[in-house]
Amino acid sequence: ETGVTQSPTHLIKTRGQQVTLRCSSQSGHNTVSWYQQALGQGPQFIFQYYREEENGRGNFPPRFSGLQFPNYSSELNVNALELDDSALYLCASSRNRGPTLAYNSPLHFGNGTRLTVT
Amino acid sequence: DQQVKQNSPSLSVQEGRISILNCDYTNSMFDYFLWYKKYPAEGPTFLISISSIKDKNEDGRFTVFLNKSAKHLSLHIVPSQPGDSAVYFCAARDNYGQNFVFGPGTRLSVLP
Repeated sequence: ETGVTQSPTHLIKTRGQQVTLRCSSQSGHNTVSWYQQALGQGPQFIFQYYREEENGRGNFPPRFSGLQFPNYSSELNVNALELDDSALYLCASSRNRGPTLAYNSPLHFGNGTRLTVT
Repeated sequence: DQQVKQNSPSLSVQEGRISILNCDYTNSMFDYFLWYKKYPAEGPTFLISISSIKDKNEDGRFTVFLNKSAKHLSLHIVPSQPGDSAVYFCAARDNYGQNFVFGPGTRLSVLP
């Protein structure tokens, strides 16, 4: 069973630039969630994708956007990068029966992408 | 407003003894709870879960207790091992939500 993989592992960008982060979900999983983890904090929910549609969004501005592909892989795009966007970005997959989370469906995380904005 | 709180930023325990990590929540709609362990440079690893219809769930050395009236859950690790040294996060989800809300984490150090 292949786990969740994310690329790249590290990235350095300049304020105002755009970035795309990629995620391959665990085999058999149909739902992908993205989280931002700032230093010393717990992961914060950005959004979730189920069957290629956004299915829930946290308190993040529209310059954070995403995609899910037919093979359930996903991308996170961030436009107009700000210094505060520097964080660890985590992708998590899960197996859901429908648009809402299955009752006993923990998230399985990748190792994350460390984004530094200078 | 933090809906999930882990009030102990760090905890040190002797190898072989019990580690108890605590988590409090404010949203009474939360009904499914998870514990994760995170090593540096790795993503969080799922440890154990509990739903609100139970008050205890056990998996090997790990046991999670849920006190709904107090809105409190705890993770017990016994016996603690040096490899358990990591940051532990609790997370909660309500039955209508799409996301899990995470606490800020507790760093556990198990001393040989």
